[in-house]
Amino acid sequence: AQSVTQLDSHVSVSEGTPVLLRCNYSSSYSPSLFWYVQHPNKGLQLLLKYTSAATLVKGINGFEAEFKKSETSFHLTKPSAHMSDAAEYFCVVSDLDDYKLSFGAGTTVTVRA
Amino acid sequence: GAGVSQTPSNKVTEKGKYVELRCDPISGHTALYWYRQSLGQGPEFLIYFQGTGAADDSGLPNDRFFAVRPEGSVSTLKIQRTERGDSAVYLCASSLGTAVEETQYFGPGTRLLVL
Repeated sequence: AQSVTQLDSHVSVSEGTPVLLRCNYSSSYSPSLFWYVQHPNKGLQLLLKYTSAATLVKGINGFEAEFKKSETSFHLTKPSAHMSDAAEYFCVVSDLDDYKLSFGAGTTVTVRA
Repeated sequence: GAGVSQTPSNKVTEKGKYVELRCDPISGHTALYWYRQSLGQGPEFLIYFQGTGAADDSGLPNDRFFAVRPEGSVSTLKIQRTERGDSAVYLCASSLGTAVEETQYFGPGTRLLVL
């Protein structure tokens, strides 16, 4: 069975500074990994996904994540935070060819002006 | 184009009552999923439809929960004899197919409060 652990429940950054959201996963097989973002009163939106291709994955809005099998990690980064990045971020795993998504508990990002 | 829509956006009910939550997937998406998100947690899988049939209902917590998709499009999640522990946000998602390359697109959710 697959699972993810998001290491930070809350991250606060200043506008214009880097953002790092940490995620470790556990999977029995070759995993697929995703990051979703949830803005208040909006649906979950896919930021990026890793499905056994390039280990450095670029997503929307300047986010990227690196799959590190040796560390079982899939951390999300952005070089410069924007006020609009304030939201809840979920790291998600599924086993290869499995439609079920297993979500982490989420990381709340606040951006200070 | 139109995304996944869910109605109602909020539902308040009393313990013991019956509720129905509706999901309109993106047109042409054959796969539909229901997830439940409790306060402070990530969404948890409930059930998956491929077309009209429930291909996997292993996430439904008990037999008070039931979901249908009679024409392979709109789906309804039904909860009988609601309990306070059922309070959560119920999310619906749809995708073109079930391959992992197919992105699941989520609706805004229905926030259910059982008093």
